[in-house]
Amino acid sequence: ILNVEQSPQSLHVQEGDSTNFTCSFPSSNFYALHWYRWETAKSPEALFVMTLNGDEKKKGRISATLNTKEGYSYLYIKGSQPEDSATYLCAPSLGGYKLSFGAGTTVTVRA
Amino acid sequence: NAGVTQTPKFQVLKTGQSMTLQCAQDMNHEYMSWYRQDPGMGLRLIHYSVGAGITDQGEVPNGYNVSRSTTEDFPLRLLSAAPSQTSVYFCASSYSIPGAYKNIQYFGAGTRLSVL
Repeated sequence: ILNVEQSPQSLHVQEGDSTNFTCSFPSSNFYALHWYRWETAKSPEALFVMTLNGDEKKKGRISATLNTKEGYSYLYIKGSQPEDSATYLCAPSLGGYKLSFGAGTTVTVRA
Repeated sequence: NAGVTQTPKFQVLKTGQSMTLQCAQDMNHEYMSWYRQDPGMGLRLIHYSVGAGITDQGEVPNGYNVSRSTTEDFPLRLLSAAPSQTSVYFCASSYSIPGAYKNIQYFGAGTRLSVL
């Protein structure tokens, strides 16, 4: 079990605004960091898997960066849209298949 | 294109009852796992399996039992339901290629369980 912290717990964003939030994890014995997006009444879906320090991943208006030396990752949403409303989960790998999930950041985009 | 299928979607139990949550995947994934999700907490791993006939405990295994007789199916059994087991349960599966820590997990739609 890893101590994974996501902040803030929730945030409200006006449509068109950009936002970002953080995932903090232990920097020792790092394997990979997963980001998942979880929309209400749906299944969590993978956004990114990041393995290298300095990694940057992008998917549409969503991007993520990784700092393995200090143990954090940022997820950015550029020009938020109502369909971006979801809970975003980060999960560092424990090695092998096992992941340790944070409690998530819930994003609500107001039209 | 079913992916990971969980049944039932909703269930209400009385304390002491037993039941089985079903999980099936059609992607030929070796790795399967069960999580529970409670308010304010991340997904917590209950049990997992790296292949047919192989299971192991996760973070919160007490009160749950699993078996893996086929690659496709990974049922979760509640032996004697308790109110503390009220939660949303997710099943997930993953490919088993080298570098497992990079393999994304595919989730089912969840089972919402209430124990009265």
